[in-house]
Amino acid sequence: NAGVTQTPKFQVLKTGQSMTLQCAQDMNHEYMSWYRQDPGMGLRLIHYSVGAGITDQGEVPNGYNVSRSTTEDFPLRLLSAAPSQTSVYFCASSTPDGMNTEAFFGQGTRLTVV
Amino acid sequence: TQLLEQSPQFLSIQEGENLTVYCNSSSVFSSLQWYRQEPGEGPVLLVTVVTGGEVKKLKRLTFQFGDARKDSSLHITAAQPGDTGLYLCAGARYNQGGKLIFGQGTELSVKP
Repeated sequence: NAGVTQTPKFQVLKTGQSMTLQCAQDMNHEYMSWYRQDPGMGLRLIHYSVGAGITDQGEVPNGYNVSRSTTEDFPLRLLSAAPSQTSVYFCASSTPDGMNTEAFFGQGTRLTVV
Repeated sequence: TQLLEQSPQFLSIQEGENLTVYCNSSSVFSSLQWYRQEPGEGPVLLVTVVTGGEVKKLKRLTFQFGDARKDSSLHITAAQPGDTGLYLCAGARYNQGGKLIFGQGTELSVKP
Protein backbone atom coordinates (compact mmCIF):
# COMPACT_ATOMS: atom_id res chain seq x y z
CA ASN A 1 0.00 0.00 0.00
CA ALA A 2 1.41 3.37 -1.05
CA GLY A 3 -0.72 5.46 1.34
CA VAL A 4 0.27 9.14 1.02
CA THR A 5 3.05 9.89 -1.46
CA GLN A 6 4.89 13.20 -1.54
CA THR A 7 7.33 14.37 -4.18
CA PRO A 8 10.01 15.57 -4.22
CA LYS A 9 11.67 14.52 -0.95
CA PHE A 10 14.23 17.33 -1.10
CA GLN A 11 14.26 20.65 -2.96
CA VAL A 12 16.43 23.74 -3.00
CA LEU A 13 14.94 26.92 -4.45
CA LYS A 14 16.25 30.40 -5.03
CA THR A 15 14.32 33.30 -3.58
CA GLY A 16 11.52 34.28 -5.97
CA GLN A 17 11.25 30.94 -7.73
CA SER A 18 7.99 29.06 -7.82
CA MET A 19 7.35 25.35 -7.47
CA THR A 20 4.68 22.76 -6.74
CA LEU A 21 4.90 20.13 -4.04
CA GLN A 22 2.98 17.04 -5.08
CA CYS A 23 0.79 14.91 -2.80
CA ALA A 24 -1.20 11.84 -3.81
CA GLN A 25 -3.17 9.36 -1.72
CA ASP A 26 -4.64 6.03 -2.74
CA MET A 27 -6.96 5.45 0.23
CA ASN A 28 -9.97 7.33 -1.21
CA HIS A 29 -9.86 9.75 1.74
CA GLU A 30 -12.05 12.83 1.57
CA TYR A 31 -9.90 15.06 3.73
CA MET A 32 -6.41 16.23 2.76
CA SER A 33 -4.17 18.78 4.44
CA TRP A 34 -0.80 20.46 4.15
CA TYR A 35 1.31 21.21 7.21
CA ARG A 36 4.72 22.73 7.69
CA GLN A 37 7.03 21.65 10.48
CA ASP A 38 9.60 23.97 11.98
CA PRO A 39 11.83 23.30 15.01
CA GLY A 40 10.00 23.86 18.29
CA MET A 41 6.69 24.67 16.59
CA GLY A 42 5.10 21.31 15.93
CA LEU A 43 3.08 21.11 12.73
CA ARG A 44 1.13 24.12 11.50
CA LEU A 45 -1.76 23.84 9.07
CA ILE A 46 -1.31 25.66 5.76
CA HIS A 47 -4.36 24.64 3.71
CA TYR A 48 -6.86 21.84 3.83
CA SER A 49 -9.59 20.29 1.71
CA VAL A 50 -12.72 18.36 2.65
CA GLY A 51 -13.29 17.06 -0.87
CA ALA A 52 -12.63 17.62 -4.56
CA GLY A 53 -13.24 21.24 -5.49
CA ILE A 54 -13.29 22.47 -1.87
CA THR A 55 -10.30 24.07 -0.15
CA ASP A 56 -9.83 26.39 2.80
CA GLN A 57 -7.06 28.24 4.58
CA GLY A 58 -5.36 27.00 7.69
CA GLU A 59 -3.22 28.80 10.23
CA VAL A 60 -0.35 29.91 7.92
CA PRO A 61 -1.68 30.17 4.33
CA ASN A 62 0.23 33.24 3.06
CA GLY A 63 2.51 32.52 0.11
CA TYR A 64 0.86 29.19 -0.70
CA ASN A 65 -1.91 28.12 -3.07
CA VAL A 66 -3.77 24.84 -3.34
CA SER A 67 -6.39 23.24 -5.54
CA ARG A 68 -8.18 19.89 -5.37
CA SER A 69 -9.42 18.71 -8.75
CA THR A 70 -9.49 15.02 -7.82
CA THR A 71 -9.93 13.03 -4.60
CA GLU A 72 -6.43 11.61 -4.95
CA ASP A 73 -4.27 14.71 -5.50
CA PHE A 74 -3.68 17.85 -3.47
CA PRO A 75 -0.72 19.89 -4.79
CA LEU A 76 0.76 22.82 -2.84
CA ARG A 77 2.10 25.74 -4.86
CA LEU A 78 4.69 28.20 -3.70
CA LEU A 79 4.16 31.31 -5.78
CA SER A 80 7.39 33.21 -5.04
CA ALA A 81 9.62 31.37 -2.61
CA ALA A 82 11.05 33.22 0.39
CA PRO A 83 13.69 32.09 2.93
CA SER A 84 10.92 32.05 5.58
CA GLN A 85 9.38 29.15 3.68
CA THR A 86 12.37 26.94 4.40
CA SER A 87 10.74 24.07 6.26
CA VAL A 88 9.66 20.44 6.11
CA TYR A 89 6.25 20.08 4.48
CA PHE A 90 3.87 17.23 5.23
CA CYS A 91 0.75 16.21 3.40
CA ALA A 92 -1.89 14.23 5.28
CA SER A 93 -5.15 12.52 4.43
CA SER A 94 -8.00 11.27 6.58
CA THR A 95 -11.58 10.16 6.34
CA PRO A 96 -14.48 11.36 8.49
CA ASP A 97 -15.23 8.80 11.19
CA GLY A 98 -17.00 10.65 13.92
CA MET A 99 -14.41 11.90 16.39
CA ASN A 100 -11.94 9.15 15.77
CA THR A 101 -10.27 10.41 12.59
CA GLU A 102 -6.73 9.17 12.04
CA ALA A 103 -4.50 11.28 9.81
CA PHE A 104 -2.06 9.48 7.54
CA PHE A 105 1.06 11.46 6.67
CA GLY A 106 3.47 11.33 3.78
CA GLN A 107 7.23 11.20 4.33
CA GLY A 108 7.62 14.93 3.90
CA THR A 109 9.38 17.33 1.55
CA ARG A 110 12.40 19.15 2.94
CA LEU A 111 12.52 22.57 1.24
CA THR A 112 15.37 25.03 1.46
CA VAL A 113 15.03 28.54 0.02
CA VAL A 114 18.31 30.40 -0.45
CA THR B 1 -0.24 31.70 19.86
CA GLN B 2 0.04 27.98 20.51
CA LEU B 3 -3.38 26.53 21.23
CA LEU B 4 -1.86 23.31 22.52
CA GLU B 5 1.08 23.66 24.90
CA GLN B 6 3.20 20.55 25.12
CA SER B 7 5.80 19.99 27.81
CA PRO B 8 8.58 19.26 28.21
CA GLN B 9 9.99 20.03 24.77
CA PHE B 10 13.10 17.94 25.37
CA LEU B 11 13.58 14.92 27.59
CA SER B 12 16.72 12.83 27.96
CA ILE B 13 16.49 9.86 30.29
CA GLN B 14 18.12 6.51 31.03
CA GLU B 15 16.65 3.19 30.00
CA GLY B 16 14.22 1.93 32.62
CA GLU B 17 13.05 5.34 33.84
CA ASN B 18 9.45 6.50 33.73
CA LEU B 19 8.33 9.75 32.12
CA THR B 20 5.23 11.84 31.50
CA VAL B 21 4.54 14.27 28.67
CA TYR B 22 1.79 16.85 29.06
CA CYS B 23 -0.44 18.54 26.51
CA ASN B 24 -2.52 21.47 27.77
CA SER B 25 -4.99 23.90 26.28
CA SER B 26 -7.59 26.44 27.34
CA SER B 27 -9.82 25.14 24.54
CA VAL B 28 -12.06 22.09 24.48
CA PHE B 29 -11.38 19.42 21.88
CA SER B 30 -13.67 16.68 20.65
CA SER B 31 -10.71 14.32 20.56
CA LEU B 32 -7.00 14.32 21.27
CA GLN B 33 -4.49 12.31 19.30
CA TRP B 34 -0.91 11.32 20.05
CA TYR B 35 1.56 10.77 17.22
CA ARG B 36 5.13 9.54 17.14
CA GLN B 37 7.58 10.73 14.51
CA GLU B 38 10.92 9.21 13.54
CA PRO B 39 13.63 11.27 11.77
CA GLY B 40 12.90 11.65 8.06
CA GLU B 41 9.39 10.25 8.39
CA GLY B 42 5.90 11.60 8.84
CA PRO B 43 4.02 11.30 12.16
CA VAL B 44 2.28 8.00 12.86
CA LEU B 45 -0.81 7.79 15.05
CA LEU B 46 -0.39 6.07 18.44
CA VAL B 47 -3.82 6.62 19.95
CA THR B 48 -6.96 8.76 19.92
CA VAL B 49 -8.85 9.64 23.11
CA VAL B 50 -12.38 11.00 22.75
CA THR B 51 -14.13 10.81 26.15
CA GLY B 52 -13.32 13.08 29.10
CA GLY B 53 -11.40 11.07 31.72
CA GLU B 54 -10.62 8.30 29.24
CA VAL B 55 -7.48 6.23 29.81
CA LYS B 56 -5.96 4.08 27.07
CA LYS B 57 -2.99 1.76 27.33
CA LEU B 58 -0.66 0.68 24.56
CA LYS B 59 1.87 -1.73 26.09
CA ARG B 60 4.08 0.51 28.28
CA LEU B 61 2.37 3.72 27.14
CA THR B 62 -0.63 5.13 29.03
CA PHE B 63 -2.67 7.97 27.57
CA GLN B 64 -5.20 10.04 29.50
CA PHE B 65 -7.73 12.65 28.38
CA GLY B 66 -8.64 15.28 30.98
CA ASP B 67 -12.16 15.35 32.39
CA ALA B 68 -12.82 18.73 30.75
CA ARG B 69 -11.30 17.58 27.42
CA LYS B 70 -8.75 20.39 27.47
CA ASP B 71 -5.63 18.42 28.33
CA SER B 72 -3.97 15.07 27.92
CA SER B 73 -0.93 13.19 29.15
CA LEU B 74 1.30 10.41 27.88
CA HIS B 75 3.08 8.27 30.46
CA ILE B 76 5.80 5.79 29.50
CA THR B 77 6.79 3.12 32.00
CA ALA B 78 10.30 1.67 31.94
CA ALA B 79 11.41 3.56 28.84
CA GLN B 80 13.54 1.75 26.27
CA PRO B 81 15.91 3.11 23.60
CA GLY B 82 13.32 2.13 20.99
CA ASP B 83 10.97 4.76 22.48
CA THR B 84 13.31 7.52 21.27
CA GLY B 85 11.55 9.92 18.92
CA LEU B 86 9.37 13.00 18.63
CA TYR B 87 5.97 12.76 20.34
CA LEU B 88 3.23 15.09 19.17
CA CYS B 89 -0.21 15.73 20.59
CA ALA B 90 -2.93 16.98 18.26
CA GLY B 91 -6.41 18.22 19.00
CA ALA B 92 -9.43 17.90 16.76
CA ARG B 93 -12.73 19.72 16.91
CA TYR B 94 -16.01 18.16 15.80
CA ASN B 95 -16.99 18.85 12.18
CA GLN B 96 -13.69 20.60 11.45
CA GLY B 97 -12.93 18.65 8.32
CA GLY B 98 -9.90 16.72 9.51
CA LYS B 99 -8.08 19.83 10.76
CA LEU B 100 -5.64 19.05 13.55
CA ILE B 101 -4.01 21.51 15.96
CA PHE B 102 -0.60 20.29 17.03
CA GLY B 103 1.46 20.92 20.12
CA GLN B 104 5.15 21.83 19.77
CA GLY B 105 6.27 18.25 20.26
CA THR B 106 8.49 16.47 22.81
CA GLU B 107 11.90 15.16 21.71
CA LEU B 108 12.53 12.05 23.78
CA SER B 109 15.95 10.44 23.99
CA VAL B 110 16.31 7.20 25.94
CA LYS B 111 19.92 6.21 26.56
CA PRO B 112 20.89 2.56 27.11
